[in-house]
Amino acid sequence: EAGVAQSPRYKIIEKRQSVAFWCNPISGHATLYWYQQILGQGPKLLIQFQNNGVVDDSQLPKDRFSAERLKGVDSTLKIQPAKLEDSAVYLCASSLVLASDTQYFGPGTRLTVL
Amino acid sequence: GENVEQHPSTLSVQEGDSAVIKCTYSDSASNYFPWYKQELGKGPQLIIDIRSNVGEKKDQRIAVTLNKTAKHFSLHITETQPEDSAVYFCAASSKGQFYFGTGTSLTVIP
Repeated sequence: EAGVAQSPRYKIIEKRQSVAFWCNPISGHATLYWYQQILGQGPKLLIQFQNNGVVDDSQLPKDRFSAERLKGVDSTLKIQPAKLEDSAVYLCASSLVLASDTQYFGPGTRLTVL
Repeated sequence: GENVEQHPSTLSVQEGDSAVIKCTYSDSASNYFPWYKQELGKGPQLIIDIRSNVGEKKDQRIAVTLNKTAKHFSLHITETQPEDSAVYFCAASSKGQFYFGTGTSLTVIP
């Protein structure tokens, strides 16, 4: 079974630029999560999708972050414009159906904002 | 919302010794508690989990215990090996959301 795929693996941009991350969850997984992991901290949930609907985006900075899940499968997370404090690893995870099901994480995208 | 605290932040043990990592949570509605291992440059990988209707679960050298009354759960690794060196995260799931601890960097000294 293929795991959660993410791209790119690394991205370096200057502040005020925009950036987009892509995630392909495990086939058949209805729930998809985007997390932000700042160095030395645990992952923090940004947004959770159930199929193509948003379940929770309460911690997503909506003035600069946006996310969508195309046709309930792939997802993109965008930051526009980026700030220095956005430097982090952005992790995508998926689970079969319910929020209490096992989450499987992708390798993450390491973003550096200069 | 839920608040998960994790201790210690760093832990060094000799190969063959045991390692224990402890977490506390605040929301009594939390009902699912996974533990993840994260190696450098990789995403977190689930190593063991426990649900609120169970007090203890074991998988070879790894065990997790849950005390619902005290709202704490612990990860126990026995007979540690150098390949156990990584950052370990606990998490608690409450109302469909996952909240992570701040991580424990475990070093197993050969």
